[in-house]
Amino acid sequence: DTAVSQTPKYLVTQMGNDKSIKCEQNLGHDTMYWYKQDSKKFLKIMFSYNNKELIINETVPNRFSPKSPDKAHLNLHINSLELGDSAVYFCASSQQQGVTEAFFGQGTRLTVV
Amino acid sequence: GDSVTQMEGPVTLSEEAFLTINCTYTATGYPSLFWYVQYPGEGLQLLLKATKADDKGSNKGFEATYRKETTSFHLEKGSVQVSDSAVYFCALSGKAAGNKLTFGGGTRVLVKP
Repeated sequence: DTAVSQTPKYLVTQMGNDKSIKCEQNLGHDTMYWYKQDSKKFLKIMFSYNNKELIINETVPNRFSPKSPDKAHLNLHINSLELGDSAVYFCASSQQQGVTEAFFGQGTRLTVV
Repeated sequence: GDSVTQMEGPVTLSEEAFLTINCTYTATGYPSLFWYVQYPGEGLQLLLKATKADDKGSNKGFEATYRKETTSFHLEKGSVQVSDSAVYFCALSGKAAGNKLTFGGGTRVLVKP
């Protein structure tokens, strides 16, 4: 049973399109995150939600909009995709704020052409 | 702000060799420290952690000790296997770190038979 699952695993789309990535965790955790991993493997946090409330919003273009319908789900919607958005996006969850341990999904490889 | 610096890779080793990956950090307060591992095509998995000074984290033959005086958390393994080939990330977290994981740049390790 997958703890943190993301869909889709691969996403290829054209510039200017709008796309969404979905994430679900079945660990009962309160906090969920989105991270972006670039081509050099560098990981940077984008957003964090705690019990459906946005608590971290790093410097991310407002074309990126997270949505948390409940504490088990955190989706990422991206408008007007650009070439530079190509990356691997990871969803993660942890039991509480402060991050004792984060569990990661398998990642979504987004390619914008 | 908080940051993590780890040695750049790739690190190429023969099977049964000794592995060390250096990690140093800059942080306010007393963060928790982590090593995550990313196998090809997969998400990140927690390898080990330490939550206070002088704690030693260990798992699967890997060890790292939280050294407050040198602000370091170096990862070691006495005898690596081909299956240890992966990218290793050092990270810190804690309230003073903004309740998020801050990652180092990752170190790719390649173990040859």
